Amino acid sequence: DQQVKQNSPSLSVQEGRISILNCDYTNSMFDYFLWYKKYPAEGPTFLISISSIKDKNEDGRFTVFLNKSAKHLSLHIVPSQPGDSAVYFCAASPNSGGSNYKLTFGKGTLLTVNP
Amino acid sequence: DTGVSQDPRHKITKRGQNVTFRCDPISEHNRLYWYRQTLGQGPEFLTYFQNEAQLEKSRLLSDRFSAERPKGSFSTLEIQRTEQGDSAMYLCASSLGGTYQPQHFGDGTRLSIL
Repeated sequence: DQQVKQNSPSLSVQEGRISILNCDYTNSMFDYFLWYKKYPAEGPTFLISISSIKDKNEDGRFTVFLNKSAKHLSLHIVPSQPGDSAVYFCAASPNSGGSNYKLTFGKGTLLTVNP
Repeated sequence: DTGVSQDPRHKITKRGQNVTFRCDPISEHNRLYWYRQTLGQGPEFLTYFQNEAQLEKSRLLSDRFSAERPKGSFSTLEIQRTEQGDSAMYLCASSLGGTYQPQHFGDGTRLSIL
């Protein structure tokens, strides 16, 4: 049973427009959520995170929104650039004894930004 | 800023052989994690260390797998008697302790079993 779902395997956007990547989760114990970007032949690179006490976190062009009641989060990239083309993974973890150590990942969404 | 380093980047071996991978975390990070990623999937948690103590192991980590972090710095992951199903990317990550600390990943070791 997949606890973190990224239902769109791929997304294509034009340079300069907004990219919106979505993620749903089923485990109500998750309280820390992260987005990673992955280029081919490289490991995942941490982008941005949000804890369950917040509903929005922003870092430059990247904003993550969390809707706890819907068990849904999204990553907005504005404006999108060709260098943003990569696979994006959503990940989540529960708080176990004051620690978020076990990440559960979705299957990823391939974002292509066209010049 | 030195990131997480993994060695080797690629390993090709015959079924039944033993393999060992090494991970050097970010120097100030006391937590270290191992994940496995197969094609079309996200990384899956295998095990985690706080300093030298191994605090959790996934049921994915069969008794052919062993991980160590002897001095709380680098870690090794050994797979004994490799099987075809062990072919995957093995990723190491590290983080600071406490809550809401992001994990930072290395570039992984790709294992291919012939």
